[in-house]
Order: sequence, then structure tokens, then C-alpha cells
Amino acid sequence: QVQLVQSGAEVKKPGASVKVSCKASGYTFTSYYMHWVRQAPGQGLEWMGIINPSGGSTSYAQKFQGRVTMTRDTSTSTVYMELSSLRSEDTAVYYCAREGVVAAAGVFDYWGQGTLVTVSS
Amino acid sequence: DIQMTQSPSSLSASVGDRVTITCRASQGISNSLAWYQQKPGKAPKLLLYAASRLESGVPSRFSGSGSGTDYTLTISSLQPEDFATYYCQQYYSTLYTFGQGTKLEIK
Repeated sequence: QVQLVQSGAEVKKPGASVKVSCKASGYTFTSYYMHWVRQAPGQGLEWMGIINPSGGSTSYAQKFQGRVTMTRDTSTSTVYMELSSLRSEDTAVYYCAREGVVAAAGVFDYWGQGTLVTVSS
Repeated sequence: DIQMTQSPSSLSASVGDRVTITCRASQGISNSLAWYQQKPGKAPKLLLYAASRLESGVPSRFSGSGSGTDYTLTISSLQPEDFATYYCQQYYSTLYTFGQGTKLEIK
């Protein structure tokens, strides 16, 4: 069965960087795009960007351009999201989410369990 | 970016009720709309996509409709496990955007 398992919670100081991992299993890793979505406490869902695990190409939301980097390791079927220059407003749960294919292209059919990143001095 | 506006923001209902949630896009999205259910402390779960296609394993009491800019999610007979927050998401543009959410509470 498809599983996306994310790394554990992080506490960071303002100005630092955080790198969250998402290990995929149960399907062909390179056949499905992966997205990152975040959710601030008590707030809605915010799309951050996408990575193509096959070639490594990425596209980021304008809001995060210059601060976010998404990478992948095909040998371990893992994608990573690194966010730099952290500020308190970046405190959120970060999710990886797999994009469906064909009729479900653009839709997030499987999600990781989420990783809480807390930014506090 | 395409703005997605859900209404209502919150809703109180009873088990067995029929409930409808609306999502309006700031421009036409050609049925490129998905609905997700999220329970506290959990990741969102895909319910429907292409406005009206039920994801595998989702109960048939959930249905979706709409076209152009206006879409609805209907739960035909609320069950206790349906009390959660619901989000719409457009994927017409690859600058994916979500609605602000509708919290469905027990009356």
C-alpha cells in the first residue's frame, strides 16, 4: 500500500533552516509528482511547491521563491523540503502529498502524516 | 492566483442531516476541483475530484457537483465520522489553491 512517512518534529530559531524528509513506498517513486503543503496552527492549507522525482525539476509558489528548495533521492525514494530564513510565521505542519495521474492529475491522493516545524527564539 | 471561497465557514448539523458546502472560484476552473476531509491532528483525505468523481473507498453519501466557478459538496445523511473540516482545491491552474475550509460540527 502507498505510504508517505515524514521525519519528526523540529524546533528552530528564527533565521535558521529546516529540512523535512518524506519517504515513499508502495508505488513507483519516479512515476508520480510530489507536492509540499503547509498548514499554520488553526489555519487552512497552503501549497508550497512541486517536485518531479524522475528528473528532479521543481516549481515553487511565488511566496516561497528564494527560500524553499525541494530535492529528491531516488535511491531511497525520498523527497526533501528545505526552508531557509525561518520566521515565526513559518510555524506550521508541513505535509508531503503525492499527485495522482490521468483523471486525478493535479489532485493530492496520498498524504504524509505531517511534520510540525516550530520557529521560536 | 485563483482564489477559492468556501461557504459557510462553519456549520452545525445533526446525524442524519443533509449538508451542502459551497466553493466559488475567482474564475472558471472547468471542473478541476477536488474536495478533502480533514480531522483534527490528521492529514487531509481526498474525497472527490473532477468536481464529481468519488475517490475509491469514499462512501457514496458524499457527492459533488457544479461547473464554471461554482461547486458544491453534499453529504446526503451525516454520520458521526463525518464531523470534520472540509476543503476545496482547484487544480485548473498549477498555482494550486485551497478554500479556507468549512468546519462541520455536531449540533
